[in-house]
Amino acid sequence: QSVLTQPPSASGTPGQRVTISCSGSSSNIGSNTVNWYQQLPGTAPKLLIYSNNQRPSGVPDRFSGSKSGTSASLAISGLQSEDEADYYCAAWDDSLNGPWVFGGGTKLTVL
Amino acid sequence: EVQLVESGGGLVQPGGSLRLSCAASGFTFSSYWMSWVRQAPGKGLEWVANIKQDGSEKYYVDSVKGRFTISRDNAKNSLYLQMNSLRAEDTAVYYCARDVMAVAAIGDYWGQGTLVTVSS
Repeated sequence: QSVLTQPPSASGTPGQRVTISCSGSSSNIGSNTVNWYQQLPGTAPKLLIYSNNQRPSGVPDRFSGSKSGTSASLAISGLQSEDEADYYCAAWDDSLNGPWVFGGGTKLTVL
Repeated sequence: EVQLVESGGGLVQPGGSLRLSCAASGFTFSSYWMSWVRQAPGKGLEWVANIKQDGSEKYYVDSVKGRFTISRDNAKNSLYLQMNSLRAEDTAVYYCARDVMAVAAIGDYWGQGTLVTVSS
């Protein structure tokens, strides 16, 4: 049971916009910033979004993040087949759960 | 180019010990917090431990407290994870990751991972 809650799966067709949610609490998302990671099959995770909505160099602007209260979202626009991957949210947690907690991950399928 | 290369994984019996290493290159290792993150087969990511630049602060997930010890040698640009009293549930790929605490980001760079299997 992960501290941050994500839907186990999401799907979309090429060109579509999809969003993945991440729900937490006042001790993590509610008081700290959120990061998002992409994990392609058989590879290490890659930082996709940091500080709620900032993209590291090299990450396409098709990927965007937002946060409101104790929830966060990752949006992928112009969906491409190579976006099929697992996506994880993470945040610093001020309680004994932490300091870092991850969501359970969302498997994105491009139909 | 930033590189993180883990080693030391393998098969170990329950109750046994293992020491993982992570060799860092391409950046000033002593300037960064570092983390270990694991992923059980077919499961999600779980943060395990992290350590401050000078080793003066260390944090652990509850499930490994008292059993795992994170350490670093800045002269050797290396991160370590000493794992004792291993359990079947510790079976996972272990990744080392560089943290960027200035923006509260864990893992702006990751290693390729090393597999630890705890089984009799």
